[in-house]
Amino acid sequence: NAGVTQTPKFRVLKTGQSMTLLCAQDMNHEYMYWYRQDPGMGLRLIHYSVGEGTTAKGEVPDGYNVSRLKKQNFLLGLESAAPSQTSVYFCASSRGEDQPQHFGDGTRLSIL
Amino acid sequence: RKEVEQDPGPFNVPEGATVAFNCTYSNSASQSFFWYRQDCRKEPKLLMSVYSSGNEDGRFTAQLNRASQYISLLIRDSKLSDSATYLCVVNRGNFNKFYFGSGTKLNVKP
Repeated sequence: NAGVTQTPKFRVLKTGQSMTLLCAQDMNHEYMYWYRQDPGMGLRLIHYSVGEGTTAKGEVPDGYNVSRLKKQNFLLGLESAAPSQTSVYFCASSRGEDQPQHFGDGTRLSIL
Repeated sequence: RKEVEQDPGPFNVPEGATVAFNCTYSNSASQSFFWYRQDCRKEPKLLMSVYSSGNEDGRFTAQLNRASQYISLLIRDSKLSDSATYLCVVNRGNFNKFYFGSGTKLNVKP
């Protein structure tokens, strides 16, 4: 059972570079989320999607863009990476709006 | 004020001990509550949902106190494998209104 799969697992970028993180889920969930986790701050919502073709901003959206062209995939893009975006990024999906979320195993991103 | 607050710990307990964590939430409109477990450098995993009537799953018991706006997690007969960070999660009933606590770290020692 794959569940939620994130790629890549690790990445080091230089300031100003761009990249895309991919999240794929095989549970047919409508809702998908991108979070970042920093020490002592808990998980913070970056962007989310309530279905194919829809996206919306979360708590900390600046510097990120997302797309959900297919129901099973949710992409997170960094157009011009900054050191403040060094973090662990988690993707999650859920069946309903108040249902528990299932997480991927994370992407560790370092921006130099 | 943070939406969800937890004591960061660490709670250092011997094997076999009983340990309890509390988590307070600030918004009385919160509707759904969960406990997640997160191992070091791993993803959060759902431990249990918290219902108004309280619920139990083996050695784990979760309680909700709406009047005082907190949820609790009780772990009985602690195992070494229970060592992890426990995240409290509160939802206001909307898909974008999940709030995660910073977590309480538990160390179970032989």
